[in-house]
Amino acid sequence: EAEVAQSPRYKITEKSQAVAFWCDPISGHATLYWYRQILGQGPELLVQFQDESVVDDSQLPKDRFSAERLKGVDSTLKIQPAELGDSAMYLCASSLSPRETNTGELFFGEGSRLTVL
Amino acid sequence: GNSVTQMEGPVTLSEEAFLTINCTYTATGYPSLFWYVQYPGEGLQLLLKATKADDKGSNKGFEATYRKETTSFHLEKGSVQVSDSAVYFCALSSNAGGTSYGKLTFGQGTILTVHP
Repeated sequence: EAEVAQSPRYKITEKSQAVAFWCDPISGHATLYWYRQILGQGPELLVQFQDESVVDDSQLPKDRFSAERLKGVDSTLKIQPAELGDSAMYLCASSLSPRETNTGELFFGEGSRLTVL
Repeated sequence: GNSVTQMEGPVTLSEEAFLTINCTYTATGYPSLFWYVQYPGEGLQLLLKATKADDKGSNKGFEATYRKETTSFHLEKGSVQVSDSAVYFCALSSNAGGTSYGKLTFGQGTILTVHP
């Protein structure tokens, strides 16, 4: 069964360091999302890609966060410098298109848990 | 903007007990509604969905009915099992077009623990 792959599963870093997360969506999925899930809260959208283009990054803290999907396939989310408040689970999800997202055909990876010390 | 409110957790039940997790929403237009489940150590996965008013979504013994008049989508199961222990998220997506199209808004999640 096709899956969304994410790495690393766990990352511990000190504040002010740089950290990066990688996501490989299900083959053929044009739409890719990065969500942040703080402990005890629901996932919140950080950025949405359609192929290689950013559709929505209105909730991405652009002073320290960046995201790219250069060839429209896999994607990287970077934080530099990391702050204590960035400790969270970072979830990647993909779908064929926004229409499929709206019908529930959205698939999540297992997430990357970040701890900032 | 869109929002989803879930009942406060955690919820602890004995096996075979009846489960209800309340969910209410605020959205423009006619959103689609979902319940996602996150088992320990796994990613979120769709449990059930309803795309229009009065639709009932069901899967694995869980049910939820899209109630437009009360803007609710409560999750129910008649007899829970230990294997149902997980975090449950209510979510919506807007079908109204514009910048909200194709995005999910999640509730805060409800932790369910079922004891033997």
